Amino acid sequence: KQEVTQIPAALSVPEGENLVLNCSFTDSAIYNLQWFRQDPGKGLTSLLLIQSSQREQTSGRLNASLDKSSGRSTLYIAASQPGDSATYLCAVQGGSYIPTFGRGTSLIVHP
Amino acid sequence: KAGVTQTPRYLIKTRGQQVTLSCSPISGHRSVSWYQQTPGQGLQFLFEYFSETQRNKGNFPGRFSGRQFSNSRSEMNVSTLELGDSALYLCASSRGGAQLNTEAFFGQGTRLTVV
Repeated sequence: KQEVTQIPAALSVPEGENLVLNCSFTDSAIYNLQWFRQDPGKGLTSLLLIQSSQREQTSGRLNASLDKSSGRSTLYIAASQPGDSATYLCAVQGGSYIPTFGRGTSLIVHP
Repeated sequence: KAGVTQTPRYLIKTRGQQVTLSCSPISGHRSVSWYQQTPGQGLQFLFEYFSETQRNKGNFPGRFSGRQFSNSRSEMNVSTLELGDSALYLCASSRGGAQLNTEAFFGQGTRLTVV
């Protein structure tokens, strides 16, 4: 059974810092990994999707990497801003079509 | 391009009642998945529909059911509501099909409170 772990569970940083959020998974037989952002009480917003054949994806200040063999992904946020404050979730999808989500990292960026 | 629309946004029901939630996917998306999110359990997969057929089902009791219509809109039904069913119910749509590497887009969710 796939298990997804996100570390740290919570993070509080001053504005301008570069951040790394971690996601690990137990079964490396995945098709893709997706990072989401969730604001309190709201739905999920897709940030980056990495196919199993890819090593990284970039969008603006965000960069996500994937190392399937070690079962790890990182989300790098450059020059963090207060508007980045949210919970960040990663999800992996294997052959069952059923994505498995981590519990998320709650990020607060203070001015 | 319209996003995923879930209705209603908020709902308060009494124990024992039943409830129906609705999800309209992004135009052209044929896969709709439903999730339950609670502080204690996180995001848990309920079921996925593709072309009006339930393709996958999570580990939830039979009180939770769903369906998908020919226009890809989906409904989720919970019968005999329990206090523990209070949660944010999220719907996600994707292109689906045989290709698994498709991005999922989520709606804003329906906040269900059972009293």
